[in-house]
Amino acid sequence: KQEVTQIPAALSVPEGENLVLNCSFTDSAIYNLQWFRQDPGKGLTSLLLIQSSQREQTSGRLNASLDKSSGRSTLYIAASQPGDSATYLCAVIPSGGYQKVTFGIGTKLQVIP
Amino acid sequence: DAGVIQSPRHEVTEMGQEVTLRCKPISGHDYLFWYRQTMMRGLELLIYFNNNVPIDDSGMPEDRFSAKMPNASFSTLKIQPSEPRDSAVYFCASSFRWRGRGRLIGNTGELFFGEGSRLTVL
Repeated sequence: KQEVTQIPAALSVPEGENLVLNCSFTDSAIYNLQWFRQDPGKGLTSLLLIQSSQREQTSGRLNASLDKSSGRSTLYIAASQPGDSATYLCAVIPSGGYQKVTFGIGTKLQVIP
Repeated sequence: DAGVIQSPRHEVTEMGQEVTLRCKPISGHDYLFWYRQTMMRGLELLIYFNNNVPIDDSGMPEDRFSAKMPNASFSTLKIQPSEPRDSAVYFCASSFRWRGRGRLIGNTGELFFGEGSRLTVL
């Protein structure tokens, strides 16, 4: 059974700092991995999708990497801003079908002005 | 381009009442998912459909829960009778497969979520 772990559970950083969020998974037979952002009381907004054949994806100040062999993905946020404050979740989508999509609990990020 | 649309955004009801949550997936998407999110358990998949057909409902917690997808643009999740432990945020998500000349070309599996329906059962 796939298990997805996100560390740390919460993170508080001063504005302008570069930071890394971690996502670990136990089964490397994945189809792709998706990073989401969730604001309080809101739905999940897709940030980046990395397919299993890719090693990284970039969007603006965000960069996500994927290392299937070690079961790890990282989300790098450059020059953090207060508007980045949210909960960040990773989801592992397996090749075996959607019923086995596994979400991490998320990392709650607070960027202090 | 409209995203996944859910209604109601908030629902407060009393134990024993019937609750119906609604979802309109993104046009052209052929997969639809119902998730439940709680602080204790995070996101849990309840059921998903492909081309309006339920594929896996093993996440539906009890017979009190039922879901339908009468057409490609509408789905409902019904709880009858509702209980306080059903209080949670219920999300609908959709996804799609790429096709060309009738053949499956690819599928990123990317999930698109609605804003959620926050249910409180008193």
